[in-house]
Amino acid sequence: SQTIHQWPATLVQPVGSPLSLECTVEGTSNPNLYWYRQAAGRGLQLLFYSVGIGQISSEVPQNLSASRPQDRQFILSSKKLLLSDSGFYLCACRGEYNSPLHFGNGTRLTVT
Amino acid sequence: GQQVMQIPQYQHVQEGEDFTTYCNSSTTLSNIQWYKQRPGGHPVFLIQLVKSGEVKKQKRLTFQFGEAKKNSSLHITATQTTDVGTYFCAGQNAGNMLTFGGGTRLMVKP
Repeated sequence: SQTIHQWPATLVQPVGSPLSLECTVEGTSNPNLYWYRQAAGRGLQLLFYSVGIGQISSEVPQNLSASRPQDRQFILSSKKLLLSDSGFYLCACRGEYNSPLHFGNGTRLTVT
Repeated sequence: GQQVMQIPQYQHVQEGEDFTTYCNSSTTLSNIQWYKQRPGGHPVFLIQLVKSGEVKKQKRLTFQFGEAKKNSSLHITATQTTDVGTYFCAGQNAGNMLTFGGGTRLMVKP
């Protein structure tokens, strides 16, 4: 079965600082990978998804970027964080077509 | 683009009462998935419905997929405090994109 490693669990960063969140997947090859953001008490906003190495699709314009340097590694980055970037960031993985999403434990980011 | 609406947004129930959340898609779906997110946790997959009119049960949870494959519901019988959390539906279209509803946050008073 798939295992998603996501770190750190919590992060407090000042406005204007850079960000790098990493997600790695075990137990599957060539997965579809996703980054979601969830504001407190709100729903899941899809930020980026990737169907393969180097292939990134962005769902909403924002202060963030994503990269997939290896098949099972997905990175979320920002050069300069904004207060509005605070939230719960979730990495998710999907194997075969029609299969469900498996989520990592998430990173709670607070930008101060 | 595809939109998935979920109601209600919040629901308070007394322990032992029933609970239902409804999900409606703007387009016909190839399947619908349900997830549960406990407070402070991450969404966890519960079930997937594929066939028109399909009904599936998991203990006290009953999931239905509409005949037109555009709506779905999750019903919990006799809620318990362990049912607390946010329930999300997610509709998949023919293009393999999964669109989440806004979620229903269930609170249970003991």
